[in-house]
Amino acid sequence: GAGVSQTPSNKVTEKGKYVELRCDPISGHTALYWYRQSLGQGPEFLIYFQGTGAADDSGLPNDRFFAVRPEGSVSTLKIQRTERGDSAVYLCASSPGLAAPQYFGPGTRLLVL
Amino acid sequence: RKEVEQDPGPFNVPEGATVAFNCTYSNSASQSFFWYRQDCRKEPKLLMSVYSSGNEDGRFTAQLNRASQYISLLIRDSKLSDSATYLCVVGEFLSGGSYIPTFGRGTSLIVHP
Repeated sequence: GAGVSQTPSNKVTEKGKYVELRCDPISGHTALYWYRQSLGQGPEFLIYFQGTGAADDSGLPNDRFFAVRPEGSVSTLKIQRTERGDSAVYLCASSPGLAAPQYFGPGTRLLVL
Repeated sequence: RKEVEQDPGPFNVPEGATVAFNCTYSNSASQSFFWYRQDCRKEPKLLMSVYSSGNEDGRFTAQLNRASQYISLLIRDSKLSDSATYLCVVGEFLSGGSYIPTFGRGTSLIVHP
C-alpha cells in the first residue's frame, strides 16, 4: 500500500517568507507526527495529532510554527517569517495508534536563504 | 524533555563481525522502545520494536534493560548493506495522556570488506 508522502520534497525560500509543508499519512493511521532533523542529529519532535486535534505541540520552537490536520488525515506544517535557522529536513510520520511504530515520509528539505 | 543518549560512533567493522549498540534513557517511566535505521539523505525506517523479554529478527537482536535504563541492538554477521545510522526511540506517556517519542542522535555503522 501507499506509504507516507510529503510535498514538496525540497523548498528554497528567503528569510521572512511563509512556507507550508504537507504530509499525507498512511490511510487509517490516526496518529501523525512532525519532526525536524538537522545534520548529524536525530529527529526532533515538534507536534503530534491524534485524529484532528493537536494532542501535544510542546516541541514547536516558537509561535512562528503552526500545524493543522483539519479532517484527521492530511496535515500541513506552517512556518511564518522563516529564519535561516529553520533550515532542516522536516519529517512526517504516521502510526496506527499511540506508542505504535511510526512510518516516516521522505521528508521536505527546507533551505532558508 | 528527558534525554536519550547514543554513542555517535562511527563503528567501523569488517564484514561478518558482530557489533552492538546501546541507547540509554533517563526516564524510568518510558514505555515504548524502537530501533530505526536511517540511510544517508533518506528517512528513518523501522528496524524493530523492543520488547521487555527481548526479541530477535534474523541477524538482529534487541534487548531492554529497565533496571539500567538502556536498550541494545546486536547485529550478527554484519553485511556491507548494514552500513547506516541506527536511531533509538524511547516513548513516554506524560500526565494528561500525551505520548512523546524521543529519538537519540543515532549511531553510525560502517561495515567494510
